[in-house]
Amino acid sequence: SQQGEEDPQALSIQEGENATMNCSYKTSINNLQWYRQNSGRGLVHLILIRSNEREKHSGRLRVTLDTSKKSSSLLITASRAADTASYFCATPRMDSSYKLIFGSGTRLLVRP
Amino acid sequence: DVKVTQSSRYLVKRTGEKVFLECVQDMDHENMFWYRQDPGLGLRLIYFSYDVKMKEKGDIPEGYSVSREKKERFSLILESASTNQTSMYLCASRVPSDTEAFFGQGTRLTVV
Repeated sequence: SQQGEEDPQALSIQEGENATMNCSYKTSINNLQWYRQNSGRGLVHLILIRSNEREKHSGRLRVTLDTSKKSSSLLITASRAADTASYFCATPRMDSSYKLIFGSGTRLLVRP
Repeated sequence: DVKVTQSSRYLVKRTGEKVFLECVQDMDHENMFWYRQDPGLGLRLIYFSYDVKMKEKGDIPEGYSVSREKKERFSLILESASTNQTSMYLCASRVPSDTEAFFGQGTRLTVV
């Protein structure tokens, strides 16, 4: 069963614009993680936000977490063509050995 | 530099064959995962191993088995490959608990 669900499924923006992706989840969490996947490759971890944090930054990435709404957002500022990829949120399932459960992802296209 | 290596990038097998997908990590991680990724469905967990010789079923274990005889190696076995197992398979590892995971480059399996 999917724990996280990303929204939108696909996003197309112009280089230089900001990209915002959202993730909703179902159960209680210790943290929420965002990953990036270039086409046909493995996933790369971007950022982890703990349940007692509301916002976290890493370079051009900004992640927010609202545990009352069970949702998170990933903002990429000043996007570049190289940001074109799929982005996934993931949560460790607390009731099951912290198995890492992923959503279906958002496909981001940044047009030059 | 951390490394998770999957034995093949591309694999073509015939229906009914027994298929082995191998994953090796060099980070001394206790936890290892096998996911499959299909368009529109995101990553779905097949099996999870929390230590040597230990395993737990994920969300879609049917038709698969796993082996973890050594800490660094986690094998996914398709007992009798079927066309509906055509997919991208991703291996990951991490230290125990709810931290980030490191992924291999993926194996694209086609069953004909």
